[in-house]
Parts: sequence; C-alpha cells; structure tokens
Amino acid sequence: GAGVSQSPRYKVAKRGQDVALRCDPISGHVSLFWYQQALGQGPEFLTYFQNEAQLDKSGLPSDRFFAERPEGSVSTLKIQRTQQEDSAVYLCASSWAGSTDTQYFGPGTRLTVL
Amino acid sequence: DQQVKQNSPSLSVQEGRISILNCDYTNSMFDYFLWYKKYPAEGPTFLISISSIKDKNEDGRFTVFLNKSAKHLSLHIVPSQPGDSAVYFCAASAGGLVGNYKLTFGKGTLLTVNP
Repeated sequence: GAGVSQSPRYKVAKRGQDVALRCDPISGHVSLFWYQQALGQGPEFLTYFQNEAQLDKSGLPSDRFFAERPEGSVSTLKIQRTQQEDSAVYLCASSWAGSTDTQYFGPGTRLTVL
Repeated sequence: DQQVKQNSPSLSVQEGRISILNCDYTNSMFDYFLWYKKYPAEGPTFLISISSIKDKNEDGRFTVFLNKSAKHLSLHIVPSQPGDSAVYFCAASAGGLVGNYKLTFGKGTLLTVNP
C-alpha cells in the first residue's frame, strides 16, 4: 500500500518568500506529525494533529510557522517570510490512531532558503 | 541541551559480525525508546522499540537493551549484512497523561557494513 507522501521533494526559496509543504498521510491514519531535521541533526518535533485538531504545536519555532489539516487527512506546513535558518528537511509522519502507535515517516521535503 | 545522545557519528563493521549502536539519554521522564533506520533520500523507518518496564526486546537479528540506571540503551544487529548500512536514530518519548507521541531523536549513527 501507499506510504506517506510529501511534496515537493525539494524546494528552493529566496529569503522572505512564503512556502507551503504538503503531506499525504497513509489512508486511515488519524494522527499526523511534522518534524524538522537540520543538517547533521536528528528530527525535531514541530506539531501533532489528531484528525483535524492540532493538539500540540509546542515545537513550532516561531509564529512564521503554521500547520493545518482541515479535513483530517492532507496536511500543509506553511512558512512565512522564510529565513536562512529555516533551511532543513521537513518530515511528515502518520500513525493509526493512538498516540503510542508507530509513526511512519514520509521521504521529507528539503527546503533551501537562499 | 541534547536529551538523547548518540556519541558515535559512525561505525564500520564486517559482514557477519555484530554491530552495536549506543544511545544515552538524560531525561528521566522518558519511558519508551525506539530505533529508526534511515536510507539516503528516504524517511526514517521504524525498526524496534522497548518500554521502560523491560530491559530487552528482540526481533529477528535486532535486539535492543535498556539499562535504566545508566540511562543507556543499545541496538545489537547480529549478523550484520551490507543492506543494514544506513543511519540509525535512537529516539525516546515520555508518556504520562499525553501519550508517547512526541519523539526526541539523537543525531544518528552512520553504520557501514563491509562485504
């Protein structure tokens, strides 16, 4: 079956531009997560959705970062006025339902801000 | 402040031998630990996990050991195969009332298994 997919796979933005990154979770998965992975680091938690409800956004680094999942399926991570320090791989993960279920990761979107 | 530490950036072993990847943590609230494997240009893939009520969990060639008093866990791969060559991430979460969803990752260890 299809895994978690993310688009675009690569994004280059000029500093100050807005970007939108898309995540298609595994069909039927209730929980969805976003992580940020800087070069040479492990993934860092950004935010968590259960269906359309954003239950935890404690990891979002600033108010320039915004995530939504309006119909409880596809999610979009938006970054406004991108800065060079936003350059990273953004990973999306989904899991069946419970918060303890295994998280399945997508391939990520590599964002480069020039 | 890194709460999950993988102090070896890389490890090289011969095919057929044992690979031992190590991980230390500082947060005593962590009660669930996982290992993920990552190939280039792919997302991390879940490998094996262990709850803090256990000290060992085995799945085929992969065994995870947990030493709570030392705040240390290790992943053993026996026998190692060239296809095991990847970056291995150790991750941990603190359950409690909110569940185990928020994973804290180490920086990863690049394992190379030589034929």
